[in-house]
Amino acid sequence: EDKVVQSPLSLVVHEGDTVTLNCSYEVTNFRSLLWYKQEKKAPTFLFMLTSSGIEKKSGRLSSILDKKELFSILNITATQTGDSAVYLCAVPVSTGFQKLVFGTGTRLLVSP
Amino acid sequence: NAGVTQTPKFQVLKTGQSMTLQCAQDMNHEYMSWYRQDPGMGLRLIHYSVGAGITDQGEVPNGYNVSRSTTEDFPLRLLSAAPSQTSVYFCASSYRGDGTEAFFGQGTRLTVV
Repeated sequence: EDKVVQSPLSLVVHEGDTVTLNCSYEVTNFRSLLWYKQEKKAPTFLFMLTSSGIEKKSGRLSSILDKKELFSILNITATQTGDSAVYLCAVPVSTGFQKLVFGTGTRLLVSP
Repeated sequence: NAGVTQTPKFQVLKTGQSMTLQCAQDMNHEYMSWYRQDPGMGLRLIHYSVGAGITDQGEVPNGYNVSRSTTEDFPLRLLSAAPSQTSVYFCASSYRGDGTEAFFGQGTRLTVV
């Protein structure tokens, strides 16, 4: 069965801290891994990773994939209160249409 | 720039009632899908569509029906609501089937009493 596991489930940090969120997966026919940020409502797309060892970066957020060890990390440096959200990891599993299997998410709270 | 529009935002149903959650997108995306999000469970795929007239079941399809008569609209029907269907429902659309650039609606919070 395809599975995506995220850790930690929740995290509280102070503004300015650096955080690392983890996502491990077990899927057949792996092609890519996606990160989303979910604030109050709709998830918004952050990154797609397909190749091992290639870092994707967007401002203070970065992510990397390790296809050998079957995991990805999402780093946020110099956290701000606006980074408070649930971060979701998802893996498309191919059934013709590549449906997304999501992890349960990591809830990040950045305190001032 | 509407994107994906879901209605209603909130709904309370009695057990056994039926209703339709509406989803519309104005980006001419072929791929649309419905997810439900429950505490501790993440998002789970209910049904999806790869184009007008084509739908298929996802991970948790029981108790739900869909149709896709136009590219823009993808309604989700609850046939006979049950308390286990209390959840937050998200509609998503994308021009690619691999989940990238997927746009999500704002969600519908459904409570079945």
